[in-house]
Amino acid sequence: DIQMTQSPSSLSASVGDRVTITCRATQSIGNYLNWYQQKPGKAPHLLIYAASRLQSGVPSRFIGGGSGTDFSLTISSLQPEDFATYYCQQSSSPSWTFGQGTKVEIK
Amino acid sequence: QITLKESGPTLVNPSQTLTLTCTFSGFSLNTSGVGVGWIRQPPGKALECLSLIYWNDNKRYSPSLKSRLTITKDTSKNQVVLTMTDMAPVDTATYYCAHIRTWMNVWVDAIDIWGQGTVVTVSS
Repeated sequence: DIQMTQSPSSLSASVGDRVTITCRATQSIGNYLNWYQQKPGKAPHLLIYAASRLQSGVPSRFIGGGSGTDFSLTISSLQPEDFATYYCQQSSSPSWTFGQGTKVEIK
Repeated sequence: QITLKESGPTLVNPSQTLTLTCTFSGFSLNTSGVGVGWIRQPPGKALECLSLIYWNDNKRYSPSLKSRLTITKDTSKNQVVLTMTDMAPVDTATYYCAHIRTWMNVWVDAIDIWGQGTVVTVSS
């Protein structure tokens, strides 16, 4: 299995802050990396696919980057609706795996 | 508009077999690049991909659960069924089915639409 490790596991930030979450794979996955947002009690929601491509309808403040083993999700200016848990997920291997999640909380 | 809905028992006894059905609309599992996946999430924990099935009947399973899982599709009914044998309390989770899209220009696939999820509790 390819393991995905996110950091930090949680962070506190204020509205308007720039926030970056990182995701590292245990082996190279090219650009086969997706990011999801999940709010409490709700299903996840796709933000970024193929490491850096913005899913239709997702605000441009969400920016994905990286390739190989190291990836990032940046929220350029945190909005109240962005407080949630974020997951990375690799689709390089036949067996997909998710990171453990990063919870973004209000400071 | 693509929608998916999970159905199945909310309570399962230990050692029993769980059968979950995903009924979907707005797409066909005969369409190239399309798939359906099952993902679960134990309370307060991370997401775990269990199984995927694609338009060409390509099936994938979590290596750690492969011996317990079977995924099938019925394109005439627009349904995907997941069975998981030998259920245990650690299998208590919300189970999601989801639509998989393949972006042909970059050959990447991802879950772009999720069902609402169904809570399954394993307890005697």
